Amino acid sequence: DGGITQSPKYLFRKEGQNVTLSCEQNLNHDAMYWYRQDPGQGLRLIYYSQIVNDFQKGDIAEGYSVSREKKESFPLTVTSAQKNPTAFYLCASSIVGGHYNEQFFGPGTRLTVL
Amino acid sequence: QKEVEQNSGPLSVPEGAIASLNCTYSDRGSQSFFWYRQYSGKSPELIMSIYSNGDKEDGRFTAQLNKASQYVSLLIRDSQPSDSATYLCAVPKFISNFGNEKLTFGTGTRLTIIP
Repeated sequence: DGGITQSPKYLFRKEGQNVTLSCEQNLNHDAMYWYRQDPGQGLRLIYYSQIVNDFQKGDIAEGYSVSREKKESFPLTVTSAQKNPTAFYLCASSIVGGHYNEQFFGPGTRLTVL
Repeated sequence: QKEVEQNSGPLSVPEGAIASLNCTYSDRGSQSFFWYRQYSGKSPELIMSIYSNGDKEDGRFTAQLNKASQYVSLLIRDSQPSDSATYLCAVPKFISNFGNEKLTFGTGTRLTIIP
């Protein structure tokens, strides 16, 4: 079955720790995205990548880092510099260059800072 | 003006009735529009895409687009309790020369179907 997987489902972090969220897809999509969702707010774009070894900052990249070493994988690291990291993190993917780039989401990781 | 606006609700609709969800957007150049359904605690699921003015039907769902008024809506006919969820409107914005787009989301409308 094609799809997007994210792990872990729940993650607890102590203040000052870096944590890495995993995102893997087998849809053969070139583009991958990370969004953050907070209660009462829409999804906000953190980082995106259109091709291996290339990625760009989104609207709220401060305190986050990513890598794209493989087409299938786009991990997100939440660093200690992120002041308010408690949120629901969503990874998505899409084709690139098509006229209508529908984005499909993974199941999400819920991060809580203790 | 927000890029994508939705009434946050909650919107309560009796079972079997038509639920109507609305979304307005600010960028006149937007070409495609998406509706996602998000159950509590889950990730968004794409349920409708619409690119042309007019109506697009898929089962019990109908998306309506009016580019002149910058308005897109989602109608759910014969509403079922399983339709109770938050519905997110999303509008793409080009972010690169590759044709890649980012999605700008509304804050969502919470829909409750009352049995």
